[in-house]
Amino acid sequence: GQQLNQSPQSMFIQEGEDVSMNCTSSSIFNTWLWYKQDPGEGPVLLIALYKAGELTSNGRLTAQFGITRKDSFLNISASIPSDVGIYFCAGRTGNQFYFGTGTSLTVIP
Amino acid sequence: EAQVTQNPRYLITVTGKKLTVTCSQNMNHEYMSWYRQDPGLGLRQIYYSMNVEVTDKGDVPEGYKVSRKEKRNFPLILESPSPNQTSLYFCASGGRQGPSYYGYTFGSGTRLTVV
Repeated sequence: GQQLNQSPQSMFIQEGEDVSMNCTSSSIFNTWLWYKQDPGEGPVLLIALYKAGELTSNGRLTAQFGITRKDSFLNISASIPSDVGIYFCAGRTGNQFYFGTGTSLTVIP
Repeated sequence: EAQVTQNPRYLITVTGKKLTVTCSQNMNHEYMSWYRQDPGLGLRQIYYSMNVEVTDKGDVPEGYKVSRKEKRNFPLILESPSPNQTSLYFCASGGRQGPSYYGYTFGSGTRLTVV
């Protein structure tokens, strides 16, 4: 299957700091999605991107669909304790979705 | 409330005993999919379905079966479970608007242990 390289694998940050994570692929995707997963729950969609170059915000979250269609990034501004969780990127090609291995975010109050 | 419902949430079973994990969505989505989540491997797609009676293999289909007789339901069947199928399983559904897909909605997960 497709490989999505997500980095960093984990992050420990102070409350109030900004966060940046990204996802790269050797293949082109038609859609990029970013999800957050809390312990014991299913992933929840944060942002969906449908066009190369698209920049979309959802509150303190901003994500971009890379121009090459092979990458995407997610930024979280002014982090708060409830941002803790695992963040996944996902890319769609054809009718299949592929997920990155996740970025574990810890926010220190 | 729009949701994807999986049952059961937790299941412990023995090797070889057939089991079914149910998945139902109330959003009239065409697209449904099953994933397994294992530490360090992220989410891997088992099977997906584009619509009723249309199913396709994902990345890790071996040992699993699915069916899509109705739009809202997409059960995952393990005919003869083995310990390497111990995992956290997620069902997801998604709709389509023109050329774009909505993002997935995930269920809350089923933690399966095969002993």
